[in-house]
Amino acid sequence: GEDVEQSLFLSVREGDSSVINCTYTDSSSTYLYWYKQEPGAGLQLLTYIFSNMDMKQDQRLTVLLNKKDKHLSLRIADTQTGDSAIYFCADPQGGKLIFGQGTELSVKP
Amino acid sequence: GAVVSQHPSWVICKSGTSVKIECRSLDFQATTMFWYRQFPKQSLMLMATSNEGSKATYEQGVEKDKFLINHASLTLSTLTVTSAHPEDSSFYICSAMGSGGGTEAFFGQGTRLTVV
Repeated sequence: GEDVEQSLFLSVREGDSSVINCTYTDSSSTYLYWYKQEPGAGLQLLTYIFSNMDMKQDQRLTVLLNKKDKHLSLRIADTQTGDSAIYFCADPQGGKLIFGQGTELSVKP
Repeated sequence: GAVVSQHPSWVICKSGTSVKIECRSLDFQATTMFWYRQFPKQSLMLMATSNEGSKATYEQGVEKDKFLINHASLTLSTLTVTSAHPEDSSFYICSAMGSGGGTEAFFGQGTRLTVV
């Protein structure tokens, strides 16, 4: 079945760039998503990338997609303390989303 | 983006009682709604998919008699946890997809259920 994997933790200093990685097994999806979850809250869609794109930039966010290696990454430039949260990549399969385990990003001042 | 409202945000109930959680799409018609469960420090696990006017499709291992899902209208789906037990304590999140043909799912803010 579909499998989406992420590293569990990432710690960076304020102002540095953060790179969160994700690998997936199924390559038929049209989109791949990144969601952000703050403590005790639901999920907020951060950005997405079409499967026919290699890169998408949206302000401080850059998404890179390597379809050959089935690897997706999210780069956050100039990381701020407010970026501290759990980040999930998600692969839509028939409308339902298959989530990675989530990467907990900790930003130290 | 579209708004999905989930209610209540948190609930504490006694063991053996039932709890209903509502998921509403406020500014669009949601033909499909999804219910997820999330344990602390873990990912979201899909419980079931509901389409308006039809029976929900449950994922393997999810008891349909325990987690009753109703999607009676294009803007409302409910999840009822029947005869709740402490092991049902969790964070439940719904998401909704519109009828416009897009693949984006919008999430509610989640409901923290604690069974004592």
